[in-house]
Amino acid sequence: AQSVAQPEDQVNVAEGNPLTVKCTYSVSGNPYLFWYVQYPNRGLQFLLKYITGDNLVKGSYGFEAEFNKSQTSFHLKKPSALVSDSALYFCAVSRPGNTGKLIFGQGTTLQVKP
Amino acid sequence: DAGVIQSPRHEVTEMGQEVTLRCKPISGHNSLFWYRQTMMRGLELLIYFNNNVPIDDSGMPEDRFSAKMPNASFSTLKIQPSEPRDSAVYFCASSTPGTSTDTQYFGPGTRLTVL
Repeated sequence: AQSVAQPEDQVNVAEGNPLTVKCTYSVSGNPYLFWYVQYPNRGLQFLLKYITGDNLVKGSYGFEAEFNKSQTSFHLKKPSALVSDSALYFCAVSRPGNTGKLIFGQGTTLQVKP
Repeated sequence: DAGVIQSPRHEVTEMGQEVTLRCKPISGHNSLFWYRQTMMRGLELLIYFNNNVPIDDSGMPEDRFSAKMPNASFSTLKIQPSEPRDSAVYFCASSTPGTSTDTQYFGPGTRLTVL
């Protein structure tokens, strides 16, 4: 069975510092991995995805994520956090032949303080 | 290009009433997904359609919930009768052409409150 874990309910960072939001996954076969962000009272917005190729994926708003197959991880990173990055972040996984069904993690709240 | 459109944005109803949530996917997308988000359970997939056909409804909580997609540009999620525990934010998402690699685009959600 597929599953996604986001081990931290909340991550706190100071503005200007690097941030990392962690995600680990469990899936048979090759995973397709996604990050979404949700601002208050809004729908989820796509940030980036890993399908194949380069393990470092660059996405919207300066975010990037690194796929690590041996550690089954797909952590979201940003070199310099902004207060406006404060939001709820979701990691999700699907796999080939699954007709697009995504399994989401429970979400991590990112709080960036000035 | 308009994104996924959901209506209403907010719905307040009383227990026992019928509730209908509506979704218009992005034009050209042929997969549509209904999710429910609560504090307790997070984001749950309820049902998804591919080419207007329900593919997996294993997430539908019980028979009170039903979903239809009569054509490529419209879907409904109905709860009858509604209960207070159905209070949640319901999201619709669409993608194309519905394979594992494709990005799902979410609507703004419908916040349902059942009193």
